[in-house]
Amino acid sequence: DAKTTQPTSMDCAEGRAANLPCNHSTISGNEYVYWYRQIHSQGPQYIIHGLKNNETNEMASLIITEDRKSSTLILPHATLRDTAVYYCIVSQPLQTGANNLFFGTGTRLTVIP
Amino acid sequence: DVKVTQSSRYLVKRTGEKVFLECVQDMDHENMFWYRQDPGLGLRLIYFSYDVKMKEKGDIPEGYSVSREKKERFSLILESASTNQTSMYLCASSLGGLPQTYEQYFGPGTRLTVT
Repeated sequence: DAKTTQPTSMDCAEGRAANLPCNHSTISGNEYVYWYRQIHSQGPQYIIHGLKNNETNEMASLIITEDRKSSTLILPHATLRDTAVYYCIVSQPLQTGANNLFFGTGTRLTVIP
Repeated sequence: DVKVTQSSRYLVKRTGEKVFLECVQDMDHENMFWYRQDPGLGLRLIYFSYDVKMKEKGDIPEGYSVSREKKERFSLILESASTNQTSMYLCASSLGGLPQTYEQYFGPGTRLTVT
């Protein structure tokens, strides 16, 4: 069952920051927030993950609210190649290291020239 | 770069046939996963494996089985294919052990049509 709520679709102008929100009000203390994206006809691609603190890597930034009930993925300078479906997932890793990532329907981000 | 390959991009099978979908990863990952993706439903986990010969059911295991005889290879088996198994099937792999793994690497997918 989905533990996250995301808007169905969003548009963003090329070169501007894309801010994708995600609500996860029932997240538990040891669950992580993961973001993946899926470009048309490809498998999903990992973007970033976090537990409590904000995180940044070469692709994006993840802002998690202090109560951890919501988060925002930020693509600082969106390009046309960032057009994709973005999935926000909360999951607790199993002791084996594997984790069941439930991919809902995500947010379809369209970057407009 | 991690590479996850799947045996076919497109596959057409008849109802009742036994179907094998093969997945191979080249990064010595402990964990491997099989998902199916359907419009409006997102990706759903069928089975995963955290070690050779080990398997765990995901959210929708009914009608499927899996095999992991070697670390790099994870097979999804449809014992008797049915039309409701027409879908895109995606394989993924990730590192194992603690601390938690986080990045699953996905293959390109196999679009299976059962007629």
